[in-house]
Amino acid sequence: EDQVTQSPEALRLQEGESSSLNCSYTVSGLRGLFWYRQDPGKGPEFLFTLYSAGEEKEKERLKATLTKKESFLHITAPKPEDSATYLCADGAGTALIFGKGTTLSVSS
Amino acid sequence: GAVVSQHPSWVICKSGTSVKIECRSLDFQATTMFWYRQFPKQSLMLMATSNEGSKATYEQGVEKDKFLINHASLTLSTLTVTSAHPEDSSFYICSANTGTGTYEQYFGPGTRLTVT
Repeated sequence: EDQVTQSPEALRLQEGESSSLNCSYTVSGLRGLFWYRQDPGKGPEFLFTLYSAGEEKEKERLKATLTKKESFLHITAPKPEDSATYLCADGAGTALIFGKGTTLSVSS
Repeated sequence: GAVVSQHPSWVICKSGTSVKIECRSLDFQATTMFWYRQFPKQSLMLMATSNEGSKATYEQGVEKDKFLINHASLTLSTLTVTSAHPEDSSFYICSANTGTGTYEQYFGPGTRLTVT
């Protein structure tokens, strides 16, 4: 069964304190590993898609990387506005299978 | 680009009534749309995949007679919760794939349904 596991479940950082979120997946026929940001009461906002091991993508303070079994979302010098739940999903078919997310809280 | 809207953003209805939620792709045509449900502090659970002009494909455990999905055009899909009960109260989110050769999905803002 395809699974996506995210860790940690919650992460509290001080402003400027860099860290990484982990997403591990067990999927056959990967059609992309996706990262989304979700704010409370809103739909997920697309961040990145990674298709092959070794691929990296960046957007502002976020960088996503991919290995054969894991993806990492690195957050460099986070700000309070980066506080949100970060979801990863695999696209093993036309649908997405989501992990439970990591809720990030950044305090000033 | 790739904007998806939902209407209404929130709705309260009485037990036994039906509620329709609309999902629209505003600046692209969506051959495929998806409906998810999200309970508090939980992740998104796929309910069904909707293809324009054909019947929706429902995930295991989702009652197709209770959650009616219609994908009437390339920009509109609707989810109707029939004979709603309090346990149907949830956050319903739709998404759409742009169909440009990638598998990225763009999500609507969600609809909060409360059944009293």
